[in-house]
Order: sequence, then C-alpha cells, then structure tokens
Amino acid sequence: AQSVTQLGSHVSVSEGALVLLRCNYSSSVPPYLFWYVQYPNQGLQLLLKYTSAATLVKGINGFEAEFKKSETSFHLTKPSAHMSDAAEYFCAVSNFGNEKLTFGTGTRLTIIP
Amino acid sequence: GAGVSQSPSNKVTEKGKDVELRCDPISGHTALYWYRQSLGQGLEFLIYFQGNSAPDKSGLPSDRFSAERTGGSVSTLTIQRTQQEDSAVYLCASSFFGGGTQPQHFGDGTRLSIL
Repeated sequence: AQSVTQLGSHVSVSEGALVLLRCNYSSSVPPYLFWYVQYPNQGLQLLLKYTSAATLVKGINGFEAEFKKSETSFHLTKPSAHMSDAAEYFCAVSNFGNEKLTFGTGTRLTIIP
Repeated sequence: GAGVSQSPSNKVTEKGKDVELRCDPISGHTALYWYRQSLGQGLEFLIYFQGNSAPDKSGLPSDRFSAERTGGSVSTLTIQRTQQEDSAVYLCASSFFGGGTQPQHFGDGTRLSIL
C-alpha cells in the first residue's frame, strides 16, 4: 500500500520569497515520487520526478525536490517565487510493478505581490 | 508533437443518462490511465491499460463505469445511468511503459456535470 500526505492545503508566499511545499509518503517498497502542477482548467504538468537515482532532483521552472528516505519526505522548493508559480501542486507516488499514481490532496500556492 | 487529447472538454447531462468520454494518447505511448478529480475525493485512479495486457480496473467505483481501449490507442470511458456524485473532472494520461518510472502526460480533462 502507498499513500501521500501534503501538509498545508493552502500556502501563500511573497513574490521573491522561498517556496516550500511539503510532501510525505508511505510505501512498503522503494517509491517513485513525482510533483505535478495544475493551472486552472488544465491537466497536470510534470515538474520533476525521483526514480531512485540522485536524491536531489531538479525540475522545470526552477523547482527542485530532495528525497529523504529517513524522513519519508519529498518536499518541493524554489528559491524565489514568481507570480506565474501560482497554481495547485500535487505530490504523487508509484513503485515498480504498480504503475498507477497515488496523489496527495494538493497544495494551492498563492503568490503575494 | 501533440499531447494527450480529451473530448468533450465539457459535458452536461441529466441524471440517469449514459455518457462517453474519449481520450487520444500521445503517439507511441503504450500505457493509458484514467483518473477522476473531484472536490470531495481529490485525484483518484480509475483504470490502467498497458499494451495488450488485461486492464487494471481496481479503481473503478462501481459497475456503472467501464472503459475500453481500441487498437492500443484511443480509449473511451463510459458511465452508465449517471448519478450526481459522478460530477467531476475526468483526466486521461499516457506514458511509455517503464515499470512506474516513466512520467504520465495528462490531457486537460473532461468536466462532467450531472444535473
């Protein structure tokens, strides 16, 4: 069984400030972890993925995430928020032999000008 | 190249009617997934097709839901005798087969409203 917990359904940061979106996972086998972003009335777009290679993963739009097995975490960060980062962010987990994604409940990111 | 295409983008229908939702995956992608996104339940897996293997139907919420994939490409999700709780955005995704490592590419979804 696998699950994802995203702490904070809403996060607000000032433009130029650090973005930190939290994701903790539970998996009985080594996980594959993904962050997706969703803009209004659109599907999900992949930001980055972890599939057992480097634990620090860099993605698009300046985002990165670090896999920490000891903390069962995969938090998403960006050093400096931009207005265009306002969207909903989903963390998801799968594993070898279990292709389907299990999603967290999402975090809506608001950027304050 | 073209991304995942879903149609219709919006569908409004009366309770009790049947609906069909269509998904055209990215060319060459052998894996195809349906998910449902609703306010109360978040993003839920519905069904997964991989090549010619039997589909994983473990996420279908009831026997009113079914899906098929013809010729290993286009997929149709059918909901029979729709209920108000079926109102949601239905998302389709496709990927290369990669044992769970390949990212899934999503369409923009079909927003289904049951009156």
